[in-house]
Amino acid sequence: AQSVTQLDSQVPVFEEAPVELRCNYSSSVSVYLFWYVQYPNQGLQLLLKYLSGSTLVKGINGFEAEFNKSQTSFHLRKPSVHISDTAEYFCAVIDKAAGNKLTFGGGTRVLVKP
Amino acid sequence: NAGVTQTPKFQVLKTGQSMTLQCAQDMNHEYMSWYRQDPGMGLRLIHYSVGAGITDQGEVPNGYNVSRSTTEDFPLRLLSAAPSQTSVYFCASRDSFFYGYTFGSGTRLTVV
Repeated sequence: AQSVTQLDSQVPVFEEAPVELRCNYSSSVSVYLFWYVQYPNQGLQLLLKYLSGSTLVKGINGFEAEFNKSQTSFHLRKPSVHISDTAEYFCAVIDKAAGNKLTFGGGTRVLVKP
Repeated sequence: NAGVTQTPKFQVLKTGQSMTLQCAQDMNHEYMSWYRQDPGMGLRLIHYSVGAGITDQGEVPNGYNVSRSTTEDFPLRLLSAAPSQTSVYFCASRDSFFYGYTFGSGTRLTVV
């Protein structure tokens, strides 16, 4: 079964500093990759997704992620964070060979400090 | 366009009680699913449906039941609530071509 590992459970970062959130998934021939954000007491909002094509994906709010097939990774980056980026971020994967179910990582809490 | 609507938003149950969490979508999505969110564990798939009349189990199905009589609705039933089912539950639907998931705002369930 597909598994998704987010290597950091919490990431404190100062405002205007860069941030990188790491995500690795178990190997598969064909996957779709996603990053979601959850603000406090809210549902999940899609930040970006990789279905095919360019391995560098740009999303909303200045976030981007890079798909690395050889390392089975899909790390999320933002060059300069704002206080409003304080949230929990989830990496998720659809394994097309395993029923197209969306599997989530454990989440990374980002706390942006002034 | 309401998207995915979940009711109720909050619920407290006593151990052994049963209840149904409601989920409705107005986007004509064939695929719908239920997740539970627990701290440090992300979201785990409970049950999913690929269309009316078709359901299947996800990662953590025990203690839950689903049915899909219409495209719009996908209720989740707790048969006999247990404290281990204390969680936040999310319903989601997905379009068939671009894999765009839309999530509801969640139901926070406490079982005492």
